[in-house]
Amino acid sequence: AQSVTQPDIHITVSEGASLELRCNYSYGATPYLFWYVQSPGQGLQLLLKYFSGDTLVQGIKGFEAEFKRSQSSFNLRKPSVHWSDAAEYFCAVGVVVFGNEKLTFGTGTRLTIIP
Amino acid sequence: DGGITQSPKYLFRKEGQNVTLSCEQNLNHDAMYWYRQDPGQGLRLIYYSQIVNDFQKGDIAEGYSVSREKKESFPLTVTSAQKNPTAFYLCASSVSGPGNTIYFGEGSWLTVV
Repeated sequence: AQSVTQPDIHITVSEGASLELRCNYSYGATPYLFWYVQSPGQGLQLLLKYFSGDTLVQGIKGFEAEFKRSQSSFNLRKPSVHWSDAAEYFCAVGVVVFGNEKLTFGTGTRLTIIP
Repeated sequence: DGGITQSPKYLFRKEGQNVTLSCEQNLNHDAMYWYRQDPGQGLRLIYYSQIVNDFQKGDIAEGYSVSREKKESFPLTVTSAQKNPTAFYLCASSVSGPGNTIYFGEGSWLTVV
């Protein structure tokens, strides 16, 4: 069965500093990979996704992620964080089971921004 | 505006009572999903439906039930059989097919008192 690991439960970054959130997945075939962001008490918003092709994916709000098959990773990056980036970030892998797609989520990384 | 509407936003339930959470979407999506979110555990899939009148159990379906009588609606009933129902519940929908984006509603908080 597929799984997703986000090894960092909580990360604190200074405003203006660079950011990298880690995500590792386990799946036998090429997966569909997603990063979502969630503000407290709200739903999830898609930042970016990897479907196929170029392994460096650009998303909204200045985020990007790189798919590395050899490392089974899909790390999220941003060169300079803003206070509004404080939120919880979820990595997910999408797999197709009997024609139906299912998302399996990691446990999330909470991002705190300090001035 | 197009989107996914969940109601109510906050719900309190006494132990032993069933409660139904509403989810409506006007995105013309075929697929709909229910997820449960607990602190430190990410999101776990409860049920999903790819077409009207058809649905499948997810990873944690015990104590829950759903129906899909209309394309736009996918209500979730939390039954008294659910041992630990206090959680944040998220409804989602997508176009059917692999790799399509799954869109989420704003969620419903259920507290058992």
